[in-house]
Amino acid sequence: DAGVIQSPRHEVTEMGQEVTLRCKPISGHDYLFWYRQTMMRGLELLIYFNNNVPIDDSGMPEDRFSAKMPNASFSTLKIQPSEPRDSAVYFCASSFLDSNQPQHFGDGTRLSIL
Amino acid sequence: RKEVEQDPGPFNVPEGATVAFNCTYSNSASQSFFWYRQDCRKEPKLLMSVYSSGNEDGRFTAQLNRASQYISLLIRDSKLSDSATYLCVVNLYGGSQGNLIFGKGTKLSVKP
Repeated sequence: DAGVIQSPRHEVTEMGQEVTLRCKPISGHDYLFWYRQTMMRGLELLIYFNNNVPIDDSGMPEDRFSAKMPNASFSTLKIQPSEPRDSAVYFCASSFLDSNQPQHFGDGTRLSIL
Repeated sequence: RKEVEQDPGPFNVPEGATVAFNCTYSNSASQSFFWYRQDCRKEPKLLMSVYSSGNEDGRFTAQLNRASQYISLLIRDSKLSDSATYLCVVNLYGGSQGNLIFGKGTKLSVKP
């Protein structure tokens, strides 16, 4: 059974470039989450979707960040323009509706902005 | 009080030792509680849910203390493979999955 699939696994790019991260959630899950993890701040929720609809984007750091979920099996997180402080590991996770159910994480994308 | 707080460690213990981690949370009305495990350069994975009456899974025991607003994880007979960061996760405000708050993690290192 396929888990959450993220791409790319690693991304190194120069500041100012557009970065697009991709996620395929587990089939049948109702929620999709985008997180960012750094040593200093730990795991931070950026935005989450319920049935493809964005519910809470209050964690998105600024307007340079945007996320979409055009259908139940695909989501993107875009950074434009990217900055060195955006360097982090970005995780996508998905889950069922029931809050007693765990979230399942993808392998993450290691992003380095030079 | 921070929403979900853990001792960052590291906890350095010998193989076979028993080790315990605590995690405090800020909202007394919090609902679901979990422990996740994250290996170096990997994604967080669910270790176990935490139930009101406490629960055990092999060498791992999780407990909830609502009065003092903390959860704990006890690892008995620790193995080298238990070395990882353990994340406390709390649904602070109930309801939506979006209310899950992750602690920053406690790092465990088990030495031979």
